[in-house]
Amino acid sequence: QQQVKQSPQSLIVQKGGISIINCAYENTAFDYFPWYQQFPGKGPALLIAIRPDVSEKKEGRFTISFNKSAKQFSLHIMDSQPGDSATYFCAASPLYNFNKFYFGSGTKLNVKP
Amino acid sequence: DTEVTQTPKHLVMGMTNKKSLKCEQHMGHRAMYWYKQKAKKPPELMFVYSYEKLSINESVPSRFSPECPNSSLLNLHLHALQPEDSALYLCASSQDWDPSGYTFGSGTRLTVV
Repeated sequence: QQQVKQSPQSLIVQKGGISIINCAYENTAFDYFPWYQQFPGKGPALLIAIRPDVSEKKEGRFTISFNKSAKQFSLHIMDSQPGDSATYFCAASPLYNFNKFYFGSGTKLNVKP
Repeated sequence: DTEVTQTPKHLVMGMTNKKSLKCEQHMGHRAMYWYKQKAKKPPELMFVYSYEKLSINESVPSRFSPECPNSSLLNLHLHALQPEDSALYLCASSQDWDPSGYTFGSGTRLTVV
């Protein structure tokens, strides 16, 4: 059973547009929600993460929105750039037992110039 | 030094070969991980070492044998692999109390022929 469901599978956005990727989870023990960015041939790199005591976290052009009651969280990329073209994975884990991240299935983002 | 270094970057091996993958970090992280990633899929956890002791084995076949010689090094010994074991093998490390420092290496692209 997939612990974290991610959508869409792929996304095409024009340069300057907003990219939105959504994730949903069921396990209420999850309280740490990172987003990873992966370029071809590279390992995933932590982009931004949130804990459920806040509903939104912003770092530069990247924002996580978190809805605890709906058990959903999303990544918004403002002013999307071609350099943002990559695969994005959401993940979830308990904060103090994060040895195992439960990853979403990934979203391949293509930002067109 | 904020990197996880993996060698080799690429490896082609026959099904009767024995080879090893190497991972090194000098961030003082005491947890180290092996992941397997197939194309267009999220990383799948294989093994976790915590303070140089194996703490999680995700039911990985015995043809994969991990080793943690010291707190900075992690090896994955490969023997009698199958073509379906071809994948990107990722190493990661973290402090055991801070998930934000969870760092992936760039991986070893393994092809089994």
